[in-house]
Amino acid sequence: GAGVSQSPSNKVTEKGKDVELRCDPISGHTALYWYRQSLGQGLEFLIYFQGNSAPDKSGLPSDRFSAERTGGSVSTLTIQRTQQEDSAVYLCASSPAYGTSGGGQFFGPGTRLTVL
Amino acid sequence: SQQGEEDPQALSIQEGENATMNCSYKTSINNLQWYRQNSGRGLVHLILIRSNEREKHSGRLRVTLDTSKKSSSLLITASRAADTASYFCATPQRGETSGSRLTFGEGTQLTVNP
Repeated sequence: GAGVSQSPSNKVTEKGKDVELRCDPISGHTALYWYRQSLGQGLEFLIYFQGNSAPDKSGLPSDRFSAERTGGSVSTLTIQRTQQEDSAVYLCASSPAYGTSGGGQFFGPGTRLTVL
Repeated sequence: SQQGEEDPQALSIQEGENATMNCSYKTSINNLQWYRQNSGRGLVHLILIRSNEREKHSGRLRVTLDTSKKSSSLLITASRAADTASYFCATPQRGETSGSRLTFGEGTQLTVNP
């Protein structure tokens, strides 16, 4: 596809269940980012992958959150034992390379997660 | 925590008028970026201005950067109803170059009335 895609677009789950959110970045983009947007917290960085380097996990809010990126392309964000405060829109973005100064990041449409 | 603060939080104007949004940030930066978000979903990159630039244009957009005041402004000229959206400034986090994780401002909700 031409842009970043995310699935599902909406996810409703019960408290305590695990969820997986998927991101397909733009082909050839080596950098991939996850952000979270919730009321009262704005847009928060979660995790960043760049090529084969170890990911920057400094934004993950707790050990219930994890992410992986397989083959340098698709990424999955996993939230275990979901809590109501995890309800938010989870946004994925990609960019051509670390240190690229020519432009910004390309965002997907997001996954709206609702934890009941 | 948010690096940037934006004002106003909300702005309502008539079609054809100009809209100005401001952003302030706290740390040294390599660049500052502006994004648009429609209906709370994906963000669209609008423009990037480097720290050694003072002004940049793209179509109806004009961005200024004042590194001495740690502030930036986004001007949309001759606004249209389709410009209705939230606008965010974003900066790479401290010590990071331009392609790295971003810290976003609180955003300005712009409404352009037909």
